[in-house]
Amino acid sequence: EAGVAQSPRYKIIEKRQSVAFWCNPISGHATLYWYQQILGQGPKLLIQFQNNGVVDDSQLPKDRFSAERLKGVDSTLKIQPAKLEDSAVYLCASSLDFLSGDTQYFGPGTRLTVL
Amino acid sequence: AQSVSQHNHHVILSEAASLELGCNYSYGGTVNLFWYVQYPGQHLQLLLKYFSGDPLVKGIKGFEAEFIKSKFSFNLRKPSVQWSDTAEYFCAVSPLSGTYKYIFGTGTRLKVLA
Repeated sequence: EAGVAQSPRYKIIEKRQSVAFWCNPISGHATLYWYQQILGQGPKLLIQFQNNGVVDDSQLPKDRFSAERLKGVDSTLKIQPAKLEDSAVYLCASSLDFLSGDTQYFGPGTRLTVL
Repeated sequence: AQSVSQHNHHVILSEAASLELGCNYSYGGTVNLFWYVQYPGQHLQLLLKYFSGDPLVKGIKGFEAEFIKSKFSFNLRKPSVQWSDTAEYFCAVSPLSGTYKYIFGTGTRLKVLA
């Protein structure tokens, strides 16, 4: 079974530039998550989708971050404009259905450095 | 606010030593509990999970964890660590309400000396 795919794996940008990350979840998984993991901290949920609808985006900085999952499969997370404090690893995860309390499976992450 | 505490941030052990990593959470309702591991250069992987039933759960690679409801704890144990257990370990709690979202601890970096 293929795992969660993410690209790119690494990205370096200047502050105020924009950046986008892509995620392809495990086939058949209805729930998709984006996390931010700052060095020395645990992952923090940014946004949670159920199919193509948003379940929770309470911790997403909506003035600069946006995410979509248009067809209920792949997802894109965008930052525009980036700030220094956005330097982190961005993790995508998926699960069969969050309402079952199912296990989340994580992708390899994208390491973002903002200079 | 709900939170998860992992009190040991860095642990160094020699091979064959016993391991116990603490995890405490603050939430009064029913939860699912998880331990994830991240080996160097790899992604987060599930080590073990507790949903219900026997509070002592066994995971991969000889790890086990015990859920003590009265103490809001879910400590991870291994009787004898190996060099290959060097990794970062994260405890996560999922309250069974609302969006069931995971709340992660800050992680424990384990280094096992050969």
